[in-house]
Amino acid sequence: EPEVTQTPSHQVTQMGQEVILRCVPISNHLYFYWYRQILGQKVEFLVSFYNNEISEKSEIFDDQFSVERPDGSNFTLKIRSTKLEDSAMYFCASKGQRNTEAFFGQGTRLTVV
Amino acid sequence: AQSVSQHNHHVILSEAASLELGCNYSYGGTVNLFWYVQYPGQHLQLLLKYFSGDPLVKGIKGFEAEFIKSKFSFNLRKPSVQWSDTAEYFCAVTLDTGRRALTFGSGTRLQVQP
Repeated sequence: EPEVTQTPSHQVTQMGQEVILRCVPISNHLYFYWYRQILGQKVEFLVSFYNNEISEKSEIFDDQFSVERPDGSNFTLKIRSTKLEDSAMYFCASKGQRNTEAFFGQGTRLTVV
Repeated sequence: AQSVSQHNHHVILSEAASLELGCNYSYGGTVNLFWYVQYPGQHLQLLLKYFSGDPLVKGIKGFEAEFIKSKFSFNLRKPSVQWSDTAEYFCAVTLDTGRRALTFGSGTRLQVQP
């Protein structure tokens, strides 16, 4: 069964460092998303990406964040200068059509120290 | 902005008990509704979805949910839970127009005791 894969599963980084979280969406999917879940809180939308550009972003997705689909298969989330409050589980998701369900990856647990 | 409310934060049941988890959303337009489950240490998996048609939808593992438009609700039910249903359950909404990304509820942690 096709699945969304994310690497790494766990990343520890020092405050102020840049991190790149990687995702390989399901191959024929067109819509890509990043969500995050701070420990004990709800899953929050960060950004959606379609047709090689950001289609929507939340207020969380500020200038410290960026996304890229560099090679047609990977979908990356970059955090330019990490803060302690960026510590969270980051989920990538993809879907094939607009009105279908999103498939989620296993998540990357980011710990900023 | 739309929001999703899940009223039960932590539910503890014995095996074979019936389950109903509440979900309400606030948005007056057309919505698509989902329940996702997250088993310990695993990713979010779709339990069931509603886009249109029959408001009673059946999902995997014996779960079902009913969309009641007048109540802005999409409650999840299962007649008889099993220990393996222990997980966190998330209700989520996408809009037919505007934001199409998922807006999640805060989740309900279900603990089923053998």
